[in-house]
Amino acid sequence: SQQGEEDPQALSIQEGENATMNCSYKTSINNLQWYRQNSGRGLVHLILIRSNEREKHSGRLRVTLDTSKKSSSLLITASRAADTASYFCATDHGAAGNKLTFGGGTRVLVKP
Amino acid sequence: NAGVMQNPRHLVRRRGQEARLRCSPMKGHSHVYWYRQLPEEGLKFMVYLQKENIIDESGMPKERFSAEFPKEGPSILRIQQVVRGDSAAYFCASSAGTLEYEQYFGPGTRLTVT
Repeated sequence: SQQGEEDPQALSIQEGENATMNCSYKTSINNLQWYRQNSGRGLVHLILIRSNEREKHSGRLRVTLDTSKKSSSLLITASRAADTASYFCATDHGAAGNKLTFGGGTRVLVKP
Repeated sequence: NAGVMQNPRHLVRRRGQEARLRCSPMKGHSHVYWYRQLPEEGLKFMVYLQKENIIDESGMPKERFSAEFPKEGPSILRIQQVVRGDSAAYFCASSAGTLEYEQYFGPGTRLTVT
């Protein structure tokens, strides 16, 4: 299976703390994308990191990619209550049309 | 620029009825993807379409499910003779291209089969 798997499945932190979640996959990728989903809502695109990139930043988000270990991490710094959501990694393995393969997600709860 | 539009947002069907889910991609996007999300799970790819063509339907169940993206109008995901196991959130995404282009997701249609 090419499916990405997130770790941990759930994470509970205090506001202001950092949140780190990891994603592993099994076969080579073109790129890896992180999405956020608030309860009962659609997905919001956060970051796309290409296979030849090792790190990317966007605001309070930092994504790393280690293709030798087939893993990625998403770090949210100085978390806020509004960051409470599920976070999914999605991998593009280069299939026709670049369909995405999603992991099961990490459910993050940021307590005020 | 409006985002990806999906309707209806919520759909209730009795077993055996048909469900039609609509997706209008972002302006200028000609690539449409459908994904299904079961409760507490990640999204699973169903089908990828370009205008008037199904490119990849490897994630679609072989029976009862079909999809189209006509030259004019929205993309349609059609589920015939729905069963309880079809209850899920169905998301549509669109992109401007296929090489390292981001996919933008709609709000989803939540289908409940009673």
